[in-house]
Amino acid sequence: AQSVAQPEDQVNVAEGNPLTVKCTYSVSGNPYLFWYVQYPNRGLQFLLKYITGDNLVKGSYGFEAEFNKSQTSFHLKKPSALVSDSALYFCAVRDNLVTGANNLFFGTGTRLTVIP
Amino acid sequence: DGGITQSPKYLFRKEGQNVTLSCEQNLNHDAMYWYRQDPGQGLRLIYYSQIVNDFQKGDIAEGYSVSREKKESFPLTVTSAQKNPTAFYLCASSVAGTYSSYEQYFGPGTRLTVT
Repeated sequence: AQSVAQPEDQVNVAEGNPLTVKCTYSVSGNPYLFWYVQYPNRGLQFLLKYITGDNLVKGSYGFEAEFNKSQTSFHLKKPSALVSDSALYFCAVRDNLVTGANNLFFGTGTRLTVIP
Repeated sequence: DGGITQSPKYLFRKEGQNVTLSCEQNLNHDAMYWYRQDPGQGLRLIYYSQIVNDFQKGDIAEGYSVSREKKESFPLTVTSAQKNPTAFYLCASSVAGTYSSYEQYFGPGTRLTVT
């Protein structure tokens, strides 16, 4: 079955410290992985994606993610957290069983709180 | 929120009434999607459309209906058959194509409350 797991509902980190938001996946075929961020009462904003190539993907707002095939993980990272990074983060994987559209399976989300 | 608009932002309805949520995009995307978001459950796919005049059920289509008469528009109707309609509804669009891996762009969402 294709799915995404975000094992932590909540992550707290002090401002200036590095942050990691975890994601593991299960997919048929090649994994196409995405990270999105959601601020309160807003839509999701795309941060970055992994399609192929380098395992370290760089995205918007200083975020990056590391793809690890052997561990089936795609953790989101940032070297130095900002208070403004506090939001809900979603990991997603493309549904490879659907052709044409780009259907995604989303994780349940991780709420990141950066403490001043 | 890119070039996708959803209206209204907040919607209140009485139980038993059908309600239609609007979604319009100017990104020239072929594919469009409707999701429902509930606390702690992430996003669940209701319907998707790969092209005009075609749409497919997602994981939780019961009690919902859609149409895709224009490329730019993908309205969602929440019918009285939907048992728990109160939720945050998100519309998205993307480039379509077999074996592609394009990200979805999301609208700002509509919060529907049914009492």
